[in-house]
Amino acid sequence: NAGVTQTPKFQVLKTGQSMTLQCAQDMNHNSMYWYRQDPGMGLRLIYYSASEGTTDKGEVPNGYNVSRLNKREFSLRLESAAPSQTSVYFCASSGPKVRGPLAKNIQYFGAGTRLSVL
Amino acid sequence: SQELEQSPQSLIVQEGKNLTINCTSSKTLYGLYWYKQKYGEGLIFLMMLQKGGEEKSHEKITAKLDEKKQQSSLHITASQPSHAGIYLCGADGASGSRLTFGEGTQLTVNP
Repeated sequence: NAGVTQTPKFQVLKTGQSMTLQCAQDMNHNSMYWYRQDPGMGLRLIYYSASEGTTDKGEVPNGYNVSRLNKREFSLRLESAAPSQTSVYFCASSGPKVRGPLAKNIQYFGAGTRLSVL
Repeated sequence: SQELEQSPQSLIVQEGKNLTINCTSSKTLYGLYWYKQKYGEGLIFLMMLQKGGEEKSHEKITAKLDEKKQQSSLHITASQPSHAGIYLCGADGASGSRLTFGEGTQLTVNP
């Protein structure tokens, strides 16, 4: 049972290069997320997709684009990488959203992509 | 927006000792999630709390949500090296699918 799969696990880029981080989930989840994790900053939401065909900005969207290719896949693109984008990137997914105060939003995470931009 | 503060930021204990990690919110918690992260890995879901006064346990880890639903604690009994890692709390707001996370608590358990 793979859960959430991210590729690649490691990447080194030069400033100005572009790349796409891939994420796929096999849990039939509606919602998917991209986070970055930096020392002293915790996890910060970059973009999320509440359902197939929709995407929304999170806390730190500048410099990134996303594509919800289908229900399984959600990719994150860096068009022109900058050293400030050196970070660990996590993809996550969560199941059907039940609205209201008792809604459960358990997110399941991939293993992460460690990105260095030189 | 909701802010979560975790304390302590780091913790070093001897194997066999008990420990507590706290997560305090600036707003009412509608859902509080505890995750564990090992170095180089993703976050593993531990437990979720929703009701004031709720308490859940998994093996030697117990999580509680206070009656006012603004603070949660994670307690580990008789810690083991396998408990080492980063513990993060995450929280739902009143609605929406976005979680806010605390900065994490780095736990080291020395044998």
